[in-house]
Amino acid sequence: KNEVEQSPQNLTAQEGEFITINCSYSVGISALHWLQQHPGGGIVSLFMLSSGKKKHGRLIATINIQEKHSSLHITASHPRDSAVYICAVRGNNRLAFGKGNQVVVIP
Amino acid sequence: DTGVSQNPRHKITKRGQNVTFRCDPISEHNRLYWYRQTLGQGPEFLTYFQNEAQLEKSRLLSDRFSAERPKGSFSTLEIQRTEQGDSAMYLCASSPKIRQGSETFFGQGTRLTVV
Repeated sequence: KNEVEQSPQNLTAQEGEFITINCSYSVGISALHWLQQHPGGGIVSLFMLSSGKKKHGRLIATINIQEKHSSLHITASHPRDSAVYICAVRGNNRLAFGKGNQVVVIP
Repeated sequence: DTGVSQNPRHKITKRGQNVTFRCDPISEHNRLYWYRQTLGQGPEFLTYFQNEAQLEKSRLLSDRFSAERPKGSFSTLEIQRTEQGDSAMYLCASSPKIRQGSETFFGQGTRLTVV
């Protein structure tokens, strides 16, 4: 079993819909990252959090340390949000990654 | 500072050839990481450096792979006698000295195709 599990693997939404993607992990961590990867491969860090909730624009990330679970919410989704969203957890001096959530937003 | 820079962005090579990739981390970031990502998978840890010292290597890093960071600044990842299974995106990342709030910054990656 992977240290980091993400769900759903694939998600398609209509423009404007509220999107939630989830990440569960099985190890102790010092921080959790949500990353965005577009076709072509480059990775952009969206959030790093170790407790509670963070908001940036239309994106909201939450983490529940006790339940070892994090969610990324996209409000008023837009086609430019189409990407792979990767959850990564920091432990033992390095990051362990999930496989990613493939999100497609249709106009 | 323009962030983490990787070169080349793309590399196509014939099986059996050697390839070398370069990563320039953000200035004064003393931690540098190499990850490998195959199609449809999340990145997997390969190795990391603190300054010039290579502190950890994954079992994924066979003896055909070698990484260096000679002056604690840029790093190179060399693959000798490439195999088709080496085809992947090779990602470099850097961070300041680890503490609770340290952010990790990623490069654009080098996509290797072995034909």
